[in-house]
Amino acid sequence: DARVTQTPRHKVTEMGQEVTMRCQPILGHNTVFWYRQTMMQGLELLAYFRNRAPLDDSGMPKDRFSAEMPDATLATLKIQPSEPRDSAVYFCASGTVDQPQHFGDGTRLSIL
Amino acid sequence: GESVGLHLPTLSVQEGDNSIINCAYSNSASDYFIWYKQESGKGPQFIIDIRSNMDKRQGQRVTVLLNKTVKHLSLQIAATQPGDSAVYFCAENSNTGNQFYFGTGTSLTVIP
Repeated sequence: DARVTQTPRHKVTEMGQEVTMRCQPILGHNTVFWYRQTMMQGLELLAYFRNRAPLDDSGMPKDRFSAEMPDATLATLKIQPSEPRDSAVYFCASGTVDQPQHFGDGTRLSIL
Repeated sequence: GESVGLHLPTLSVQEGDNSIINCAYSNSASDYFIWYKQESGKGPQFIIDIRSNMDKRQGQRVTVLLNKTVKHLSLQIAATQPGDSAVYFCAENSNTGNQFYFGTGTSLTVIP
C-alpha cells in the first residue's frame, strides 16, 4: 500500500533550536496538508498545498513557522525558533481534490 | 492543578456487540464526509466516506449513516473487535475546496 512517510518520527530538542519536519506524499497526490495534534486543541490544520502552491496557511504562526514544497515528493515544515508550546504531534496528509486524505504516522515533537 | 483539555466522548462496548459513534456537523454546505480511525501512536486512517447525495453507505463491518436534515453522521461497527479500540474522527468538506474540518473524536474501548 502507498503511504505518506514522515521523518523524523520523534524529535526532542531545546527551545530556540530550529526544527525541520519532512513529509513524502503519496505519488500522484497533488494536495498536501500539515496538521498539529495536541490534547488541548485536537487536530488543527496548519497549512495546505495544491500542486506545490500554498493555498492556506492561516492556521500557522507566521513568525516562527514556515511550510514549503521544494518538489512534488517533499514537503517541509520548519519551526524557528522553537518554543515549548510547539510540543505536539505533527501530521502530514496527502490526497487529491475531493478525495480522502491519507495521513502519515506523524512526528512527535518535544521542545524542552 | 487541574489539567484542561479536550474531553473526548468515550464509548465502551463488549466484544462482539455493535458500536455506534455519532458526529454532529454545523456547515449545511458540507457535502462530503469521512470517518477516520486513529490508533495510539499512529496517524488517522481512512475507514469510510459518504457524499451528501446518499444517506447510507456500507463497508466491511462498518456502515455510515448521514442525516442532512439534522446535520448528523453516525458510524456503526458490527461485531466490534478488540482491534477496533481507537479514537474515531468524523471530517466534513464542502465543495469549495479540499479542506476538511475534523471533529474532536470519540474514544472507543472494546472490552474482551
